[in-house]
Amino acid sequence: GQQVMQIPQYQHVQEGEDFTTYCNSSTTLSNIQWYKQRPGGHPVFLIQLVKSGEVKKQKRLTFQFGEAKKNSSLHITATQTTDVGTYFCAGPGANFGNEKLTFGTGTRLTIIP
Amino acid sequence: DAGVIQSPRHEVTEMGQEVTLRCKPISGHNSLFWYRQTMMRGLELLIYFNNNVPIDDSGMPEDRFSAKMPNASFSTLKIQPSEPRDSAVYFCASTIGGGLTDTQYFGPGTRLTVL
Repeated sequence: GQQVMQIPQYQHVQEGEDFTTYCNSSTTLSNIQWYKQRPGGHPVFLIQLVKSGEVKKQKRLTFQFGEAKKNSSLHITATQTTDVGTYFCAGPGANFGNEKLTFGTGTRLTIIP
Repeated sequence: DAGVIQSPRHEVTEMGQEVTLRCKPISGHNSLFWYRQTMMRGLELLIYFNNNVPIDDSGMPEDRFSAKMPNASFSTLKIQPSEPRDSAVYFCASTIGGGLTDTQYFGPGTRLTVL
């Protein structure tokens, strides 16, 4: 079945440093979604990318969808303590019979003040 | 507008007991999803409904798990009998559309502990 892996699993950064998490799918995705889960909370939708090579920005967050639609990245510039949490990518497969939405393994970000 | 509502928020039970988790999706949303989250396995899709009809239950771990959606505003996930390995946070999510490409709105989750 479809697998979605994220690296790194954990990331500790000093406040103000940049952070990047990478998402890789074993199959082509029809779209990629990113969610953030604060400690003790629930996943909250951040953004969706649909087109091959698409790049979207939300303030300090930059999201990219790979040309082959099998990978994606989330980059945070100048992290703040409010960025703490686990970031998940998720995507439905693009092929018939593989449309199940699969969440990535997540990257847990902690900030050192 | 209220978000997805789940109850109970916490459940502690003993092995062998029946557990029922409840979910009220956002009004007007057509699809409902049940997830399980554990440290070991991450966030797993168990089952999802579209217009109250189960579409894909391939993620349901075994026959001890069952889910129903009797109407557009209510769904249950039942575990009978429960086992310690069922301990996890169970999330319900809903989407406005009927496909898997739509934004998912998650409820606060039910933290289940089976002793």
